[in-house]
Order: sequence, then structure tokens, then C-alpha cells
Amino acid sequence: EDQVTQSPEALRLQEGESSSLNCSYTVSGLRGLFWYRQDPGKGPEFLFTLYSAGEEKEKERLKATLTKKESFLHITAPKPEDSATYLCAVQAGDSNYQLIWGAGTKLIIKP
Amino acid sequence: ETGVTQSPTHLIKTRGQQVTLRCSSQSGHNTVSWYQQALGQGPQFIFQYYREEENGRGNFPPRFSGLQFPNYSSELNVNALELDDSALYLCASRTGTGGLYGYTFGSGTRLTVV
Repeated sequence: EDQVTQSPEALRLQEGESSSLNCSYTVSGLRGLFWYRQDPGKGPEFLFTLYSAGEEKEKERLKATLTKKESFLHITAPKPEDSATYLCAVQAGDSNYQLIWGAGTKLIIKP
Repeated sequence: ETGVTQSPTHLIKTRGQQVTLRCSSQSGHNTVSWYQQALGQGPQFIFQYYREEENGRGNFPPRFSGLQFPNYSSELNVNALELDDSALYLCASRTGTGGLYGYTFGSGTRLTVV
């Protein structure tokens, strides 16, 4: 069964304190892995798509990496405005394009 | 502004009633998906439409149904509402071409069933 697990469930950091969020997945033939940011009461905001192991993408203070079993979202010198829930989703090769989601990591950055 | 607009933003319904949620995508975006997100959970796939036909469905009962129209708008209909249907309902439009693509989400409709 295709599955996505995110850890930790919640993470509290001081402003400027770098860290990483984990997304572990089991899927039959990965078509793509997606990272989203979600603010309370809003829809997910697209961050990155990764397609193959070894791929890396960066955007401002965020960097996403992908291996055959997991993905990491590295956040460097975060600011309070980076506080949000970060969601990971995968799309399997035989999935009719549906996204399978983790439960998210709630990130809180304290000033 | 994401290019995907959902309405209404909030809705309160009584158990047993029917509800219609609406979504509008940008011109040319032929694929639309609907997701249900319970509080504190990741979204769950309901179904997907491509050029007005359903081409994928998640583990949801038939009382969840949808339509997609030629003007890139779509609807999610839920009959016989149950308390557990209370959630944020998200519409997503597939963007990009070939192997490089992503999904753009609307802000969602918060449905409360009482």
C-alpha cells in the first residue's frame, strides 16, 4: 500500500535556527514527490516537485532533496513568517494522478 | 491569487442535507482534482476530472459526485451529509506540461455539518 509519513509532527525553532523536516514514502513507482506549505484555513501552496533520487531544488531559505525512500525539506535561518504546516505528497506511477499525502509537520518559528 | 477560486469559503449544513461546492480554474487547465482535508490531517483524494470526464476516484462513497464544465469550472456534490463530512474541501488544478507539472490549490471551502 502506498504510504507517506512525515516527521516530526511539530517543530519549534528559534529564528535563525536551521533544521530539516522528513518525508518517508513507500510507493509503487514514484512519478513525483511534492512539497507544499499550508497556512491555517488556507489551501496548500506549492513549493517543489522532485522526480528522481538525487534531485535537489531550492527556493529562498528552503531546499528539498530526494532519495529512493525519503525526502528532506531543509530550512536555513528561518524567519517567523516561515511558520506554517509543511505537507509532503507523492504520486505513484499507477495512481491515476492522485496525490497521497502525509499528515504534515507544523513548524513554529519564534522571534 | 492562485488562479483557482473556490466558493463559498464557509458553509454550515444540517445532517442529511445536500451541498454543492464550486471551483473555477484558469483557462486551459483541463485537469481538476478534489480533496477532503480533516483537521490536522493531510488531504484525501476524492476524484479527478479530465476534459469533463471522471478519470480517477479515491475511497469515497457514491454520494460524493462531481461535474466539470467546458469553461474550466467544476462542482463537488455531496448528498445525505454526515457529521464526518465536516472538513476543508480543496480543489486543485494540474499545471505544467509533459513530465514537469504541479498542482495549484484553491483556498478551500470549510464545510461544517451539524
